[in-house]
Amino acid sequence: DTAVSQTPKYLVTQMGNDKSIKCEQNLGHDTMYWYKQDSKKFLKIMFSYNNKELIINETVPNRFSPKSPDKAHLNLHINSLELGDSAVYFCASSQFTGSTGELFFGEGSRLTVL
Amino acid sequence: AQSVAQPEDQVNVAEGNPLTVKCTYSVSGNPYLFWYVQYPNRGLQFLLKYITGDNLVKGSYGFEAEFNKSQTSFHLKKPSALVSDSALYFCAVDDNYGQNFVFGPGTRLSVLP
Repeated sequence: DTAVSQTPKYLVTQMGNDKSIKCEQNLGHDTMYWYKQDSKKFLKIMFSYNNKELIINETVPNRFSPKSPDKAHLNLHINSLELGDSAVYFCASSQFTGSTGELFFGEGSRLTVL
Repeated sequence: AQSVAQPEDQVNVAEGNPLTVKCTYSVSGNPYLFWYVQYPNRGLQFLLKYITGDNLVKGSYGFEAEFNKSQTSFHLKKPSALVSDSALYFCAVDDNYGQNFVFGPGTRLSVLP
């Protein structure tokens, strides 16, 4: 049973389009995240949500908007896609109140903007 | 703000030999330190963590890491490398109970048969 699942795994689209990536975790965690991994494999946090409240936003363009209908889901919506948005996007979750801080990652969604 | 450095982009080691992947960190408070591994086209997988206590931490797949406060280091080690250990390894630091993870740039480990 997959702990953190994200869909789609691959997404190819044209510049200017709008797309969404969905993420669900069945671990009962309080906090969910979106990370972007660029072509050089560098990981950068984009957002985190704790109990449906945004708690980190690392200067991501406002074309990116996280949406969390409940604490098990954190979707990523991207408007007006640009070439530079091509990357692998990872969803993750962690137990906010625990001392471990361990992150559980999804398998990633590879976005290619043409 | 905290930061993580992994000074080696690539580490090559022969199968059966010991391996070390280096990590140094900078954090204002008490560090929570982690190692993750990423296999091709997969998400990151947790290997081990240091929160407090014994400086030598043992984790998954025979890996261990040593926390050295004076050198602000948290190097990943394994006594005998396997070809299947070949992957991308990330060191990470957190100082805010999971809310403030920062990952290093990653080190690609290649274990040669």
